[in-house]
Amino acid sequence: ILNVEQSPQSLHVQEGDSTNFTCSFPSSNFYALHWYRWETAKSPEALFVMTLNGDEKKKGRISATLNTKEGYSYLYIKGSQPEDSATYLCACLYNQGGKLIFGQGTELSVKP
Amino acid sequence: EPEVTQTPSHQVTQMGQEVILRCVPISNHLYFYWYRQILGQKVEFLVSFYNNEISEKSEIFDDQFSVERPDGSNFTLKIRSTKLEDSAMYFCASSDPTGGAYYGYTFGSGTRLTVV
Repeated sequence: ILNVEQSPQSLHVQEGDSTNFTCSFPSSNFYALHWYRWETAKSPEALFVMTLNGDEKKKGRISATLNTKEGYSYLYIKGSQPEDSATYLCACLYNQGGKLIFGQGTELSVKP
Repeated sequence: EPEVTQTPSHQVTQMGQEVILRCVPISNHLYFYWYRQILGQKVEFLVSFYNNEISEKSEIFDDQFSVERPDGSNFTLKIRSTKLEDSAMYFCASSDPTGGAYYGYTFGSGTRLTVV
């Protein structure tokens, strides 16, 4: 059974703090890793898709890295803002067009 | 920006009743999915649909569940006889022809199903 784990489950930070989350996954037959941002009452929104070992992606203050050999990915948020408050989901694919296997998510709360 | 649309946003049904959850995926996408999240649990895969047939289904997706794409635009999930444990948020998603290699899946905003 493929299991994707995320840590921490929740995080409370002050505005301006930098933070990072971890996603660990089985590396055998790995195809792609997706990071999603999910705000309450909205649909999960794709942040990054990563496939290659050593991949680094950046979008504004948010960046992510991927290590497919050891099976982990980090998501970093630099200078957190209240609007970054959301649940961040990591999900792995093991074949093209296949099922996403989700972690439990990290719930981020940024206080002004 | 193209969206995946789901209706209804909320549905309350009595145990044993049939429900149909509806989705309109993005028109040029080729892969279609249903996921659900029971409160407090992980988002879990139910079924994928490609080339007008089911390509993969989970253990959850038993004979009580079915999917259809009747007219090339709508994608429906039917639960024939709902149980209390079917209460969850159900998400429809679709993927472009790269199948998640370059772009993330596009999710709808979900249908909250409550079985009483």
